[in-house]
Order: sequence, then C-alpha cells, then structure tokens
Amino acid sequence: LAKTTQPISMDSYEGQEVNITCSHNNIATNDYITWYQQFPSQGPRFIIQGYKTKVTNEVASLFIPADRKSSTLSLPRVSLSDTAVYYCLVGVLSGGAQKLVFGQGTRLTINP
Amino acid sequence: EAGVTQSPTHLIKTRGQQATLRCSPISGHTSVYWYQQALGLGLQFLLWYDEGEERNRGNFPPRFSGRQFPNYSSELNVNALELEDSALYLCASSPGTSGDMYNEQFFGPGTRLTVL
Repeated sequence: LAKTTQPISMDSYEGQEVNITCSHNNIATNDYITWYQQFPSQGPRFIIQGYKTKVTNEVASLFIPADRKSSTLSLPRVSLSDTAVYYCLVGVLSGGAQKLVFGQGTRLTINP
Repeated sequence: EAGVTQSPTHLIKTRGQQATLRCSPISGHTSVYWYQQALGLGLQFLLWYDEGEERNRGNFPPRFSGRQFPNYSSELNVNALELEDSALYLCASSPGTSGDMYNEQFFGPGTRLTVL
C-alpha cells in the first residue's frame, strides 16, 4: 500500500505560524485531503478538508498544489493548546479500490 | 448533541478469544468507520459502513468483521485474537451524504483492547 508520509515531529513557539506537509504520491483522482488533530486519550478531531488550491477556515489553511501529490496544513499564530498530533487522511488506490490512508502523524510541540 | 459513543472503554481478552466492540454514531449520521490505532503503527483504516452495508474495507484479515444495524449503530468483531491485535479501536461517524467516504468524520473516544 502506498505510503502517506509526514514529518514525525515538529517544534515551534507560541505566536508562530506552523506548516506541516503531507506527501501522498498515490492519491486517488477525485478524493479529498483531510487533516485531523488528536490529543492524548481522545479520538481525532476534524480540522480542514480540501480538493485543490487553497482552503481556509477559522482555525487553519490548507494548501494543495496542482498535482495534488502533497498538501500543507498551515496553523497561524499557534498557542500551547495546539500541541497535539496532526494527521493527513487521503484516499489511495490499492488493489483496484480506493482505501482511506492516514499519514503516520506529526507530533507538534509548541513551546512558550 | 451527544457525540459518538463506544463500549466498552477497556477490554481484556486472551489469545484465541473473540472480541466485540460497539459504536453508536451521532444521531442522524448513517456512516460508521472503524480504525485501529496500534502503538507505533498510527491509524489504520479497518471498515466503512453506510446505510447498513459494508462499503469499503482496509487491508486486514477476514477475522476482522463487523456489521451495521438498522439504527446505524455498529459492531466490530475480532475473532481468533492475536497479541498484535492489542490496540485502541476508534469508531467515527459521518452524515454519509451521497455515500461519500470523505465526509467529515466525528470520532469516539475508542475502546482499548488488550490481548494477553
């Protein structure tokens, strides 16, 4: 099964902008790219979703290049409460069918 | 509005036994997804049910099975448990609009399965 890869960990400071990139070379043609946030002992929580170009909501932006083989989650002005694991979720073709594949997650640590 | 609920919170079984995990979706949601989150392996897609039918399945052996009931709740069964099945099993639900598996998913807190 094709891998969906993200950096394992990232560190930043309060007030900074953080960009997390996910590589998904085998993304299915018509499928969305979704990002989730997970805190310890909780299920993941939806952050943002997009198909192409740029999407922005009240908490994040998502940048998707034309070839859709990667995506970048942008968190503006992070705070300590943004310390969490961030996952990208895409659909990839496997054995002739589309499968949901999560990246391995990026552990983001925000420092004071 | 109540979120996704899962039961039990913790489950301890021995190798070779069967485990049954349950999930109640958010009211009005027709799609249920199951994921396995094992230590060091991240989130692995197991199953997707929509409107009572299995729509998609991840790369897991047939001893992982499930079903969705008429009220849209769901059950995950794991037969012939192996030590490596120890993991957090997460259930998520979504509105299931147009049978699209990419709708926003709302996750439950998970069931921690330990196989001894």
